[in-house]
Amino acid sequence: DGGITQSPKYLFRKEGQNVTLSCEQNLNHDAMYWYRQDPGQGLRLIYYSQIVNDFQKGDIAEGYSVSREKKESFPLTVTSAQKNPTAFYLCASSIVGTAFIYEQYFGPGTRLTVT
Amino acid sequence: DAKTTQPTSMDCAEGRAANLPCNHSTISGNEYVYWYRQIHSQGPQYIIHGLKNNETNEMASLIITEDRKSSTLILPHATLRDTAVYYCIVRVRGGADGLTFGKGTHLIIQP
Repeated sequence: DGGITQSPKYLFRKEGQNVTLSCEQNLNHDAMYWYRQDPGQGLRLIYYSQIVNDFQKGDIAEGYSVSREKKESFPLTVTSAQKNPTAFYLCASSIVGTAFIYEQYFGPGTRLTVT
Repeated sequence: DAKTTQPTSMDCAEGRAANLPCNHSTISGNEYVYWYRQIHSQGPQYIIHGLKNNETNEMASLIITEDRKSSTLILPHATLRDTAVYYCIVRVRGGADGLTFGKGTHLIIQP
């Protein structure tokens, strides 16, 4: 089955530790995204990547880092500099280009709790 | 991207049509209207999109007013599984710089 996988589903960390969230897609999509969602709120864009070895900051990139070494993978590291890391993290991917409808496919999410 | 306005929540009886409105009065000529939904604790799911004509697929219908300043998503026969937060998003086609999600409309289907 084609799709996006995120692991783990639930993650617990102590304050001050860096943690890396995994995102893998087998849809052959060029673009990948990371969003954060807080309770009762919409999604906010953290980082996105349109092509391998290139990525751009989204609206709330501070305290996060990403890499895009392979087309299929876009891991997100939540660093100790992120002041409120507890949230629901969603990864997405899409094809790009004006010929396309820009449908984004989302993974199931990782719920991170930092205490 | 143009800003959208949606009601915070709506109820609908199971089996009835659910009509979800969205205002996007600042939409520009090359921007499309997209709808996504998010079932609790899951990733959002694409539903439908349109430019100026009404659109229908297996999930829903999208009605866009002639002036394109508002639209309505219609779920023709709502089921309990349609309970979700529905997001109306306006943006140009083919862009790859992320989606802007508001708070959406929490649609509750009542048995």
